[in-house]
Amino acid sequence: DIQMTQSPSSLSASVGDRVTITCRASQSISKYLNWFQQKPGKAPNLLIYGASILQSGVPTRFGGSGSGTDFTLTISSLQPEDFATYYCQQTYTTQWTFGQGTKVEIK
Amino acid sequence: QVQLVESGGGLVKPGGSLRLSCAASGFTFGDHYMNWIRQAPGKGLEWVSKISGSGKTIHYADSVRGRFTISRDNAKNSLYLQMNSLRGEDTAMYYCARAFAGSYYELRDWGQGTLVTVSS
Repeated sequence: DIQMTQSPSSLSASVGDRVTITCRASQSISKYLNWFQQKPGKAPNLLIYGASILQSGVPTRFGGSGSGTDFTLTISSLQPEDFATYYCQQTYTTQWTFGQGTKVEIK
Repeated sequence: QVQLVESGGGLVKPGGSLRLSCAASGFTFGDHYMNWIRQAPGKGLEWVSKISGSGKTIHYADSVRGRFTISRDNAKNSLYLQMNSLRGEDTAMYYCARAFAGSYYELRDWGQGTLVTVSS
């Protein structure tokens, strides 16, 4: 299995802050990396696919970058509705795997 | 619009069995890989299994291989997960999700989930 490691596991930030979450794969996954946002009691919501392609309807303050083993999700100016848990996921191999999640909390 | 509705969850004893269903609508069901993803209470997401549109290609996570069986009925627009030899660690919300048939198989659409509790 490809292991996906996110950092940090949690962070505290204020509205308007720039937030960066990283995701590292245990081997190269090209650009087969997706990012999800999940709020309590809800199903995950796709934000970014193909490492950097913004899903339709997702605000442009969300951005993704990277390829190979190192990836980044950036929120350029954190909004109140962005406090949630974020997951990366690889779809490169036959067994797909998620990162452990990053919880973004209000400072 | 795309709709995925899971059902079949509930309380089951260790060693027992349960069959989950996912009813799909709003898209051409047979054109897409379908997936089961689970989330234990307070924990992260775990991909469980996926099945190709034709049903011929199937993959499982190591944690469920040999105990769970994924299947689909394209005539009924339905996805299934037969879960046998259930363990406490299988307790989770189970989501079905559609993998978009593009380049990256991103999970664009998810159901609301069905809760499976394995306990004596």
